[in-house]
Amino acid sequence: DVKVTQSSRYLVKRTGEKVFLECVQDMDHENMFWYRQDPGLGLRLIYFSYDVKMKEKGDIPEGYSVSREKKERFSLILESASTNQTSMYLCASSLPPSPLHFGNGTRLTVT
Amino acid sequence: DQQVKQNSPSLSVQEGRISILNCDYTNSMFDYFLWYKKYPAEGPTFLISISSIKDKNEDGRFTVFLNKSAKHLSLHIVPSQPGDSAVYFCAASARVSAASKLTFGTGTRLQVTL
Repeated sequence: DVKVTQSSRYLVKRTGEKVFLECVQDMDHENMFWYRQDPGLGLRLIYFSYDVKMKEKGDIPEGYSVSREKKERFSLILESASTNQTSMYLCASSLPPSPLHFGNGTRLTVT
Repeated sequence: DQQVKQNSPSLSVQEGRISILNCDYTNSMFDYFLWYKKYPAEGPTFLISISSIKDKNEDGRFTVFLNKSAKHLSLHIVPSQPGDSAVYFCAASARVSAASKLTFGTGTRLQVTL
């Protein structure tokens, strides 16, 4: 069974801090994704990656960057956290044509 | 611009009855559609999918219907059970073979009452 692990369930950070959200998958999936979930807005794609060291912007990349140095790991970076980045962050992986498998999410609060 | 819309934020259904969740899309390039289910404090889990070459796909109690001309799909759950209470997200992709880079709707919270 596919396992997507997000390193933290809850994070509290201060405005202006650099924040790293880590995600690891154990099924050798090519594709990895970062979404954020907000009430009334559903899931919105931030960044995705089809291969190691490869990244593409999603629908809302502003204020974020990503890193994929190894196939199994995809990191989301908030360069300078702001209060409007308080959200639930969801990592997912897939091996087409199979559907996305999601981790359990990281609830980030920026104060 | 919301390309995938779920206009009902919530739905309450009695146990044993049918639950119908609706989803509309605007992008005519979408050709693969999925439903995900999400419990609190968990990630979304894949439920059922349908490609644009079909108009119906069934898996046990879950059936998805696709009306391409209306750009509308629906998820039917029969019979509804209390364990079905969750948030349901509709999602769409422009590439059938990839099932990746999904565009999600805003979700519908289903509550199945006893």
